[in-house]
Amino acid sequence: SQQGEEDPQALSIQEGENATMNCSYKTSINNLQWYRQNSGRGLVHLILIRSNEREKHSGRLRVTLDTSKKSSSLLITASRAADTASYFCATDEGSSYKLIFGSGTRLLVRP
Amino acid sequence: SQTIHQWPATLVQPVGSPLSLECTVEGTSNPNLYWYRQAAGRGLQLLFYSVGIGQISSEVPQNLSASRPQDRQFILSSKKLLLSDSGFYLCAGIRGSSSGNTIYFGEGSWLTVV
Repeated sequence: SQQGEEDPQALSIQEGENATMNCSYKTSINNLQWYRQNSGRGLVHLILIRSNEREKHSGRLRVTLDTSKKSSSLLITASRAADTASYFCATDEGSSYKLIFGSGTRLLVRP
Repeated sequence: SQTIHQWPATLVQPVGSPLSLECTVEGTSNPNLYWYRQAAGRGLQLLFYSVGIGQISSEVPQNLSASRPQDRQFILSSKKLLLSDSGFYLCAGIRGSSSGNTIYFGEGSWLTVV
C-alpha cells in the first residue's frame, strides 16, 4: 500500500533558493521520516520526527509534522546543486516492523 | 555500524529465466530485513520483510519469493521472470534508536528483463 504521497512530484529551483516538499499519509503513525536518494543509488536517512513532535531541525533541513492533517513538510534552506536528488517520506503505519515510502519528489537545483 | 551488501549490482535476464538476488548484513544480529522494488522514476514498493530466520511476510502478491536461510542473509527469487519484474531492487535493514526505527539500505540491484 502507498502510505505517504509527496507533493510536488518534481521541483526545479535556483541555487540559493529554499525548497519545500510535502507529504501526506493516511493512517496513524509513530513517526515520519525523510530519505534522500541520488540517482540509481540506495536511500539515505535524513531526519525522523516523532508523532508527538511538531518541528525538527537538522542543519539546513527543517521538518514539520501536523498529525491532525496527516501531513509533513521538508524544507531545505539555501539549496545547493549537490541537493539535487529525490526525496521520500516514509511512515511506519503504527508498526515497528516496516516503513512504507511515498512516490517521492525529484528536486533539481540549478547552479 | 550496520552495512548491507547486495549483489549482483546489475542484471539482464531473459523473460522466463530464474532470478536470485542476494543480500547480506554486517554489524548486527537478528536484524529485520526488507526487499523493496523501485520502478524507474517511482517510489519504493515494499515486497517482503523478515523478522527472523525462515520468517517471511509478503506485502504484494507477485511473481517473486523471498527466503531467509541465515540470520544475516536475505534472498529474493523468481522461478520465471516477467517483463514487469524489471526495476531497481533494494535490500534494507532496520536500525533502532531511542527516537524510532530507521532503515539503512544497500546500493541496490538493477534488473532488466528482456
